[in-house]
Amino acid sequence: ETGVTQTPRHLVMGMTNKKSLKCEQHLGHNAMYWYKQSAKKPLELMFVYNFKEQTENNSVPSRFSPECPNSSHLFLHLHTLQPEDSALYLCASSQGGQGLYNEQFFGPGTRLTVL
Amino acid sequence: AQSVTQLGSHVSVSEGALVLLRCNYSSSVPPYLFWYVQYPNQGLQLLLKYTTGATLVKGINGFEAEFKKSETSFHLTKPSAHMSDAAEYFCAVSEDNDMRFGAGTRLTVKP
Repeated sequence: ETGVTQTPRHLVMGMTNKKSLKCEQHLGHNAMYWYKQSAKKPLELMFVYNFKEQTENNSVPSRFSPECPNSSHLFLHLHTLQPEDSALYLCASSQGGQGLYNEQFFGPGTRLTVL
Repeated sequence: AQSVTQLGSHVSVSEGALVLLRCNYSSSVPPYLFWYVQYPNQGLQLLLKYTTGATLVKGINGFEAEFKKSETSFHLTKPSAHMSDAAEYFCAVSEDNDMRFGAGTRLTVKP
């Protein structure tokens, strides 16, 4: 595997379910990101991890819970979601640090539908 | 803090016509600038980037962008549009420990 991978690619869940999204980067990067992309809305940065430490949480509801066990893996745990949480969830990684090193490499995304 | 403005959420061109997607930024220091492309149900893919040096940057798929400091712009162009260029395009600026994305421009190519 190369680059940034995400699983599953598609997920349908009910509002009472618990599920997790997985992201893995094979680039030797130190920073990882979760974005939410809804139709006709700008990319929303959700969480940022640098060297496994969470450095940004943009007022994301607690029904979204990130986990970064090491610099190569990032999870987004989901529970009791709402239909408005349906979106494409994108994971990205970067080398970390300033300027150019924030060039981000994206995974293909997980298309989430909440019924 | 930096920010990015993409003028026009939707641009439509005919196949073979010039593509021009506009991006203006604000940054307190010389920025690093990026253009990404996103095809339906896929992640963002880097098209090109400006770091330092030559202000005209060439990217993949025949795209290029010119950094104009005096105009705080980084517009994306392609001389001749192809049907496969239909996608969403995002301009981004990186400063400090942060990257900011524009709202995106959807490009439609008509036959």
